Amino acid sequence: EVQLVESGGGLVQPGESLRLSCAASGFTFSDYPMHWVRQAPGKGLEFVSSIIGDGGSTFYAMSVKGRFIISRDNSKNTLYLQMGSLRGEDTAVYFCARDLPSGWSFDYWGQGTLVTVSS
Amino acid sequence: QSALTQPASVSGSPGQSITISCTGTSSDVGGYNFVSWYQQHPGKAPKLIIYDVTRWPSGVSNRFSGSKSGNTASLTLSGLQADDEADYYCCSYTNFGTYVFGNGTRVTVL
Repeated sequence: EVQLVESGGGLVQPGESLRLSCAASGFTFSDYPMHWVRQAPGKGLEFVSSIIGDGGSTFYAMSVKGRFIISRDNSKNTLYLQMGSLRGEDTAVYFCARDLPSGWSFDYWGQGTLVTVSS
Repeated sequence: QSALTQPASVSGSPGQSITISCTGTSSDVGGYNFVSWYQQHPGKAPKLIIYDVTRWPSGVSNRFSGSKSGNTASLTLSGLQADDEADYYCCSYTNFGTYVFGNGTRVTVL
């Protein structure tokens, strides 16, 4: 059974950093691109970042480019999102999601981890 | 990248059909057949219901169907059921190598 479990969320002050993790199981992690998607309270879904299976290419939404870094450790079946220079508008539930085997959509999602940026 | 445009809300009676539109640009919806749709119940993670414009993931009801014309994709829910009451989001791959979601549509079953 495919499982994705996010962790690392919490309350941080503006300008601070935080690292999220997503532990994957039930599939060959290195075979799949992975993604981060976020949802601000009461708002819609927003794409954040993607990384291909071997970690060689990464992609970012303009809203986080230069502040967030996506990475993965295929030996640990874990996806990461290093978030820096956090702002109030980064407050959201952050979901990790797996790429559909045929690509271009998100077939499995974690339960999400809440990041709150506030002084 | 601006969000794809969806109606804020759509409603229908049980057994009826409803359609949700999703309008983008030639850089996303119009440029690729990589439109997907997600259903999200309150407090839950999104669930993939349509991918590659018209295809169903394993286990998803064929009461959901997708289509696309130009820069607009559509999701049709047939035989509306109480459990279909949820938020629905479209999503498209973009020419930046990223993805863009729609602003979401709340479906209400009357």
